Amino acid sequence: AQTVTQSQPEMSVQEAETVTLSCTYDTSESDYYLFWYKQPPSRQMILVIRQEAYKQQNATENRFSVNFQKAAKSFSLKISDSQLGDAAMYFCAYRSAVRGGSEKLVFGKGTKLTVNP
Amino acid sequence: KAGVTQTPRYLIKTRGQQVTLSCSPISGHRSVSWYQQTPGQGLQFLFEYFSETQRNKGNFPGRFSGRQFSNSRSEMNVSTLELGDSALYLCASSLRSRTDTQYFGPGTRLTVL
Repeated sequence: AQTVTQSQPEMSVQEAETVTLSCTYDTSESDYYLFWYKQPPSRQMILVIRQEAYKQQNATENRFSVNFQKAAKSFSLKISDSQLGDAAMYFCAYRSAVRGGSEKLVFGKGTKLTVNP
Repeated sequence: KAGVTQTPRYLIKTRGQQVTLSCSPISGHRSVSWYQQTPGQGLQFLFEYFSETQRNKGNFPGRFSGRQFSNSRSEMNVSTLELGDSALYLCASSLRSRTDTQYFGPGTRLTVL
């Protein structure tokens, strides 16, 4: 079974600074997707960024980028120019892309990000 | 396009009762998944439906069930509620297949007293 580990329960960053959230995963599959979701206090889970395992290029969405290291099974999220609105729980998630496999998302325990003004 | 909607947003029930939660996916989305979120266990997969058929089920007791209608709307039911069922229940929809991203609704907060 696949597992996702987020080793940082809490992180903090100063407004306008850069922060990196860590995520490692364990799988025997070669084809899969990785996601970062953000859950602010409102509880709505929002997609931040998505990475296809077969793509070597790291995904980028505005101030958010990932460092995907497939061999190391590492998938970190970098937030540049942090804003107060970035404060939230961040979840790393894995999803199989194997035909016949489950489409469920497997989540890490989350990292609570605080942004200090 | 409207996002995923879930009703009700909040529910308070007592032990032994049953509850039904509803989820309306994004228009055109045919796959609906349900997740339970608790402080202790985190986010856990409940089940997934596509075209009115359950495709996958998580490791939850039979008290948890669901269904999907022809318009892709989905309901989940929990019978004989226990205190441990108190959680945020999240619904997510996607277009069709495992290549598609899941988009989440705001959740239903269930409290069992």
